[in-house]
Amino acid sequence: EVQLVESGGGLVQPGRSLRLSCTASGFNFGDYGVTWVRQAPGKGLEWVGFIRSKGNDETTEYAASVKGRFTISRDDSKSIAYLQMNSLKTEDTAIYYCTRDEGGATPLYFDYWGQGTVVTVSS
Amino acid sequence: DVQMTQSPSSVSASVGDRVTISCRASQGISGNLAWYQQRPGEAPRLLIHGAYRLRSGVPARFSGSGSGTDFTLTISSLQPEDFASYHCQQANSLPLTFGGGTKVEIK
Repeated sequence: EVQLVESGGGLVQPGRSLRLSCTASGFNFGDYGVTWVRQAPGKGLEWVGFIRSKGNDETTEYAASVKGRFTISRDDSKSIAYLQMNSLKTEDTAIYYCTRDEGGATPLYFDYWGQGTVVTVSS
Repeated sequence: DVQMTQSPSSVSASVGDRVTISCRASQGISGNLAWYQQRPGEAPRLLIHGAYRLRSGVPARFSGSGSGTDFTLTISSLQPEDFASYHCQQANSLPLTFGGGTKVEIK
């Protein structure tokens, strides 16, 4: 069974950092891209960024709203993807979802989702 | 960026009704569109990709159509478990973008 489990969310002050983890199981993690999606309270879904599979150089893409502040990485030996969030702003408050991306080289569709982890940025 | 506009933002319907949700892209995206269902308190789940390709395990009462800029999600006979929010998403170009969502409520 494919599973994605996020962890690392919590309450953090503006300007501080937080690292989210996404632990995968039930499939060959290294063969897939990983996309992070977030959902602010009562709002729609927002694509945050994507990391390509190892076979596609593990390069990344980001939304303009987080570029330069957020970094996605992966450790295929542990089947974990990370979202490092720096210089957090109040508008980053959201549920953060890790997803398995059907695209290995290009982000496409998200066929499996984690349960989400809540990030609250507030003083 | 490609803007995705869903309509309506909410719809009230009864069990057994046919429900249609529209999604319009600000520029052509060929058939690179997905639909997701999100029940309250849950993560979204993929229903349809490639505009009309039903994901394995998704009931056949769900169908998708369209190409270019105009797309439709149809639920042919609404079931109690279908009361949820539905989101479209384009995969044609970066950044990937979602529609604002459509909430299907019980009439």
